[in-house]
Amino acid sequence: EVQLVESGGGLAQPGGSLRLSCAASGFTFSNNWMLWVRQSPGGGLVCVSRIKGDGSDSGYADSVKGRFTISRDNAKNTLYLQMNSLRDEDTAVYYCVRDSGWSLDYWGQGTPVTVSS
Amino acid sequence: DVVMTQSPLSLPVTLGQPASISCRSSQSLVYSDGNTHLSWFQQRPGQSPRRLIYKVSNRDSGVPDRFSGSGSGTDFTLKVSRVEAEDVGVYYCMQGSHWPYTFGQGTTLEIK
Repeated sequence: EVQLVESGGGLAQPGGSLRLSCAASGFTFSNNWMLWVRQSPGGGLVCVSRIKGDGSDSGYADSVKGRFTISRDNAKNTLYLQMNSLRDEDTAVYYCVRDSGWSLDYWGQGTPVTVSS
Repeated sequence: DVVMTQSPLSLPVTLGQPASISCRSSQSLVYSDGNTHLSWFQQRPGQSPRRLIYKVSNRDSGVPDRFSGSGSGTDFTLKVSRVEAEDVGVYYCMQGSHWPYTFGQGTTLEIK
C-alpha cells in the first residue's frame, strides 16, 4: 500500500524558514517524480515544486522560485522541501504527492504551515 | 501557465439525480505523446484530494462507475450519473500536459 507521510509544518515568522519532509513507502520511490502541492485557506490547489526520480531535474512555481528548494534521499525514501524567506501568502497545507506520469495518483495527509508574526 | 476554468463553482443536486461539471483550459492539453493529461479529483470535507479520473476518461481503481469523464482538446466534463450522499465535496480538474500542472478553482457539490 502506498503511503506518504508529511512532517515539519508549523508556525514560522515572515522571513523565516521551515523544512518539510515526506516519508514514502509501498512503492519504489526512485521510480517516480514527486511533487509538493499546497492548498491555501481559500481552497485553491497549487503545484509548488517537483523533482525527478533520480533527483537530476526539478521545477518550481514562479511564486516560490529562488526561495524554496526541493530535494530527495532515495536511500531513505524521503522527499524534502526547504522553505526560506517565508511570506504570509505561503500559509497553506502542504501535500506530498506522487506523480504517476503527468497526473497525481497518491496524496499524503498534508502538513499545515502558518506564516505569521 | 495554463488556466483551468471550472463551472459551475457551486452545484446543489438532489440525491439520485445527475450532476455535471465543466472544465476548460486556456490551451490544448494534447501532449507530445498523443495523450491528453486531464485528471479529476474529489476532496471530501477534512480529507486530502483523491484522484477519480486520469487521461480524460480513465477511472481509478475503486471509483464507482457512476463517475465518468469526457472531452478533448480544451473542453472537458465530469459527470455523476446518480448523486449519492458520499459524493458531497469539492471537485477539481487538473492539467498535467504543461508544467506547472494547474488546477481549476474547484466545484462544490452539495445535496439540495
